[in-house]
Amino acid sequence: NAGVMQNPRHLVRRRGQEARLRCSPMKGHSHVYWYRQLPEEGLKFMVYLQKENIIDESGMPKERFSAEFPKEGPSILRIQQVVRGDSAAYFCASSPDSSYNSPLHFGNGTRLTVT
Amino acid sequence: AQSVTQLGSHVSVSEGALVLLRCNYSSSVPPYLFWYVQYPNQGLQLLLKYTSAATLVKGINGFEAEFKKSETSFHLTKPSAHMSDAAEYFCAVSDTGGFKTIFGAGTRLFVKA
Repeated sequence: NAGVMQNPRHLVRRRGQEARLRCSPMKGHSHVYWYRQLPEEGLKFMVYLQKENIIDESGMPKERFSAEFPKEGPSILRIQQVVRGDSAAYFCASSPDSSYNSPLHFGNGTRLTVT
Repeated sequence: AQSVTQLGSHVSVSEGALVLLRCNYSSSVPPYLFWYVQYPNQGLQLLLKYTSAATLVKGINGFEAEFKKSETSFHLTKPSAHMSDAAEYFCAVSDTGGFKTIFGAGTRLFVKA
């Protein structure tokens, strides 16, 4: 019974390159959330997606960041032209529905380092 | 708008001592409250959740939390700390006004032998 799978676990990119982070939700979950974690700052909400739809992207930077959750395949968080400030741990979480009282199931995160 | 404040970014206790991690929330409607734990290099795991059924909520690993509406608090406690409790703990809130769960900044718990 696999949990939320994120890959890669570690990703190193040079400034200006693109980063692609992947997330496969738990089996039976169709709701995906992306969070960013910076040291001493906790988790910051970025985006909430359902299959083929972005429901809430209020936490996503307006430029360079995008997310998708296609009908088939994992959810992708894409960061174009990365800068040093993008270095962080990015966590994906999933839930079986959009009920506000459904706890989130987290993956182990992707640690992005921009050199 | 929802928000969560965790008092104390670091808490240190001796093994066997009481653990108390503080959380205050702000929500315009009755909230749903959660505590999560994060071990190094891992994602967050649910410890417990409050969904209005009972004000005292018991979770895994001997943790519990009490919802106090008058104080807008949801503090996490454990009577006797164990070395394996050393981790970072996050309080979180969600409500019917939005789709997302909002997390506090986290409290890192250190347990001394």
